[in-house]
Formats: sequence, structure tokens, C-alpha cells
Amino acid sequence: AQKVTQAQTEISVVEKEDVTLDCVYETRDTTYYLFWYKQPPSGELVFLIRRNSFDEQNEISGRYSWNFQKSTSSFNFTITASQVVDSAVYFCALMRSGGYNKLIFGAGTRLAVHP
Amino acid sequence: GAVVSQHPSRVICKSGTSVKIECRSLDFQATTMFWYRQFPKQSLMLMATSNEGSKATYEQGVEKDKFLINHASLTLSTLTVTSAHPEDSSFYICSARKGNLGETQYFGPGTRLLVL
Repeated sequence: AQKVTQAQTEISVVEKEDVTLDCVYETRDTTYYLFWYKQPPSGELVFLIRRNSFDEQNEISGRYSWNFQKSTSSFNFTITASQVVDSAVYFCALMRSGGYNKLIFGAGTRLAVHP
Repeated sequence: GAVVSQHPSRVICKSGTSVKIECRSLDFQATTMFWYRQFPKQSLMLMATSNEGSKATYEQGVEKDKFLINHASLTLSTLTVTSAHPEDSSFYICSARKGNLGETQYFGPGTRLLVL
């Protein structure tokens, strides 16, 4: 069975704090893909990152960084020096490599960054 | 880039009418498009997968006669909510994939449907 768990329902931080959003996944596939999407209040899902199962290198993009650990089936997302514009719901998702490539979403983590 | 548009962004209709939502990939050809439904403060629920030129594949529990999907070209898919009822009120969002399996899905801005 494929499953994505985002245990943190809501996180509230003050601007400039660092925050880590957790994502734990379950799959029996050896090849799969992991994603993070951001959904601001406007509703559109914004693609942030895609990682395939063979690439465990961590990635940094500006204030965003991702930590992929196959040993713990986790793909955590860290925002450094958070800003009010980071306030959104963040979804972690898993995609199998075959079939129709359905995205399996976690429940999402609502991040509120206060000034 | 990979831009996906949806139209309309918001629609209010009377119970019993049908509503058509368009999803377009603006700067790429999408062999596969997906339709999702999202209730307030919940995650996205996949309704169906649409491949250009073939019938859509619906997820379990989704009524294919209620939610008609057409993927007539590589840049356009439509979702028609037939005989809409208040319980169909929701946020509908589409996504498009460029080509090969494993490719990223890019999402449209969504359509808020309110059925009175």
C-alpha cells in the first residue's frame, strides 16, 4: 500500500524562524517519486520539488531545503528564515513509477508565519 | 515553464444545471490530465485520470455519469458536472503531465463551484 503521512496538521511560527515540515511515506516499490507542493490561500498548487528514489542527495533552493532519507522513509522540508509569504498549506506526495502515475497526497501541513 | 489554466475560476449555479470546467496546458502538450476535488481544509482527492483520445479512468466511488471528462486534445481537458446538486459544491483542480511516466504534474488554479 502507498501512503503519505504528514503528522503536523498546523504549525505556527514567527517570521525569521526556521521551520521543518515532516513527511513520512510508505511504499513497496523500489522506484518512486516524491514531491512537495505549496498551496497558498489562492488555492493553486505550486510545484516545489521532485525527487526520485535513487537520488538521496539533499537539495537546497534559496531558503528551502529538503532532506530525503530512504532509511527512515522520510522526505522533510525545511524553510529557513521564514517569511509571511510562506504561509500556506504544504503537501507532500508520492508517485509510483508505473501505471497512471497517480499522486498520493499527504493530509497537508498548514503553516502560519506571523510578523 | 509549465502553466496550466482553468476556467472558470468560480461558478455559482442552480441545482439541476450542468457546469463545464476547462483545463488547459498553455505552454506544453499534456498526454495525461488529472482531475481532483478538494473539500475545505482537506487534502486533494483524485477523481479521474484523463488520457488524450481515450476514455477517462475514474477512481473508485466517482460516478462517471455524474462527472463527465473529455480530453479532446493535448492541451485541453474538460470536466462537466451534470445535474449539479449542493453536495457537488467543492474546489475542483486539474493537473497536467508533460509526457513520460514519472513526470511532474503541474496544477491549475482551481475552480470553486457553488451549487445553490
